[in-house]
Amino acid sequence: DAGVIQSPRHEVTEMGQEVTLRCKPISGHDYLFWYRQTMMRGLELLIYFNNNVPIDDSGMPEDRFSAKMPNASFSTLKIQPSEPRDSAVYFCASSHDRYEQYFGPGTRLTVT
Amino acid sequence: QKEVEQNSGPLSVPEGAIASLNCTYSDRGSQSFFWYRQYSGKSPELIMFIYSNGDKEDGRFTAQLNKASQYVSLLIRDSQPSDSATYLCAGERDTDKLIFGTGTRLQVFP
Repeated sequence: DAGVIQSPRHEVTEMGQEVTLRCKPISGHDYLFWYRQTMMRGLELLIYFNNNVPIDDSGMPEDRFSAKMPNASFSTLKIQPSEPRDSAVYFCASSHDRYEQYFGPGTRLTVT
Repeated sequence: QKEVEQNSGPLSVPEGAIASLNCTYSDRGSQSFFWYRQYSGKSPELIMFIYSNGDKEDGRFTAQLNKASQYVSLLIRDSQPSDSATYLCAGERDTDKLIFGTGTRLQVFP
């Protein structure tokens, strides 16, 4: 299996622009997680899905963030409008049970 | 107080020594704990999990859990320079979610 795939790997955008991050989980995994990692706050869970259904979005920082999972093989995390404080590495992870999450390579987002 | 706390380090140990990484947690409802390793610029990867009090060994790694003291540790025996990374401790919350600590950076010098 190719593992969790994320795109783009790097994104540089200007404040106010819309940013869309994409994730393809490992085939057969029922759970998909979106995390954000910064030096100051570490790895934070933003939202997770089970069988394509959002279960907990309490970690989404504000209404500018939204996430969708239209099918079992694709998810997006959108930021609109983006702000400099959104600069971070965004990870997608998937698992078939709650014990072992496989992380994608991450998307490094820089908002200027 | 953060739910999962770790000393940020760096923890420096010589090659061949035992590295001891520690983690405390505040939620007594947490049942399972996970150790992830993250190399610089890479994504986290699971190395061990533990859910029972006591020790769990896997090769050079031993995870220890003490629920009464709300304490989790990871011991790395015969540390190698390739073990140099940031180690993230995570506690399971609400059965599906992991709450991560900010990680401890380990440096193993030759």
